Amino acid sequence: QSALTQPASVSGSPGQSITISCTGSSGDVGDYDYVSWYQQHPGKAPTLMIYDVSNRPSGVSNRFSGSKSGNTASLTISGLQAEDEADYYCSSYTSDSTLVVFGGGTKLTVL
Amino acid sequence: EVRLVQSGAELKKPGESLKISCKGSGYSFTSHWIGWVRQMPGKGLEWMGIIHPEDSETRYSPSFQGQVTISAAKSISTAYLQWSSLKAPDTAMYYCARLTDAPFPNVDYWGQGTLVTVSS
Repeated sequence: QSALTQPASVSGSPGQSITISCTGSSGDVGDYDYVSWYQQHPGKAPTLMIYDVSNRPSGVSNRFSGSKSGNTASLTISGLQAEDEADYYCSSYTSDSTLVVFGGGTKLTVL
Repeated sequence: EVRLVQSGAELKKPGESLKISCKGSGYSFTSHWIGWVRQMPGKGLEWMGIIHPEDSETRYSPSFQGQVTISAAKSISTAYLQWSSLKAPDTAMYYCARLTDAPFPNVDYWGQGTLVTVSS
């Protein structure tokens, strides 16, 4: 299974909103509502921000939201803050034997 | 509280063997797949393979088949990733990750990472 496709980078100013896309295909994003998003700060392990397309784990700011249309899932961060600057990865359940496929990652820069 | 605690950083020479570990706690270790993820310096996350600790069923991503071995010891709630002969390109951060026990699992918890450096 090929990796999911994310933009290499996005940027926004404090207070603005940005959206990161994650494009897959049938067999993963297109067929299942089991897309997750992770935030990774430099030198740190990833942490779960969104699961099952649009659900937030306890403790995650409601500035983070997720959605999906067809083969593309999206992560939206509203009211950008400096602390949001990080790498973001999507993942999806896949019908492939290894069960999970990741996106290539997106670097978010807060200007 | 769910925790995945990985073994410490390793500095190895090319050709040496290595086994790193990931100990789960705070949940039923045998109810969830565990996956291993490679992150090479400055690069993205690569899904290496998974193991189910209940029966040690193991599945590898094509790029890692034959390159590493994933195993588990359910009696001590620990998963392992091992190499028989390390190469310089194996230098990377390695994360273990827990998959949910849903019918269509995905990653929810991560270990803190183990840095493996291979250098002569």
